[in-house]
Amino acid sequence: NAGVTQTPKFQVLKTGQSMTLQCAQDMNHNSMYWYRQDPGMGLRLIYYSASEGTTDKGEVPNGYNVSRLNKREFSLRLESAAPSQTSVYFCASRGTGHNQPQHFGDGTRLSIL
Amino acid sequence: AQKITQTQPGMFVQEKEAVTLDCTYDTSDPSYGLFWYKQPSSGEMIFLIYQGSYDQQNATEGRYSLNFQKARKSANLVISASQLGDSAMYFCAMRETPNDMRFGAGTRLTVKP
Repeated sequence: NAGVTQTPKFQVLKTGQSMTLQCAQDMNHNSMYWYRQDPGMGLRLIYYSASEGTTDKGEVPNGYNVSRLNKREFSLRLESAAPSQTSVYFCASRGTGHNQPQHFGDGTRLSIL
Repeated sequence: AQKITQTQPGMFVQEKEAVTLDCTYDTSDPSYGLFWYKQPSSGEMIFLIYQGSYDQQNATEGRYSLNFQKARKSANLVISASQLGDSAMYFCAMRETPNDMRFGAGTRLTVKP
């Protein structure tokens, strides 16, 4: 009953380092998403993938890249981390249908020094 | 412009009483969906309830109900018979297009024994 699995759960980086956050879902969902959550701002969409092989920018894409490796996996890459990217990152997936909610992973807490 | 507004940063409620968490939204699209999520201190995002813009009746899920007033563009969450485990952050979200979900800043609910 895994649902959406994110790795790692915690990470500390130095400014300028790169890192990839991994996400996998086992619900056979077409759509997958990456969000960031900052204090007092709710969740903001970074990138999404409506289906395998497609990706699109969300509200705050700058500084990030994504890869939809297959239907199950959607990764988020920080090429050159900046302190402004310190945040909690959530991956989500959604099934087909207008009433389908997004199912979230447990989040990755990322600190950039 | 803010699409989702949650005007209550924090709310307190006595155990076993009902509480209403406010949410107003802004859209010119006639078709949209409204969602509420709960985020306990452990950090995961838990889907609670959904309301479609064309739904005639207010959504209910157990102790959760949604007071949907379309003309006023409000979608308030009502939690009946509050329990200590209801203490958490609550987020209202709106989806206008299949992959664009916007979240409010959240309301922190504290249930007092």
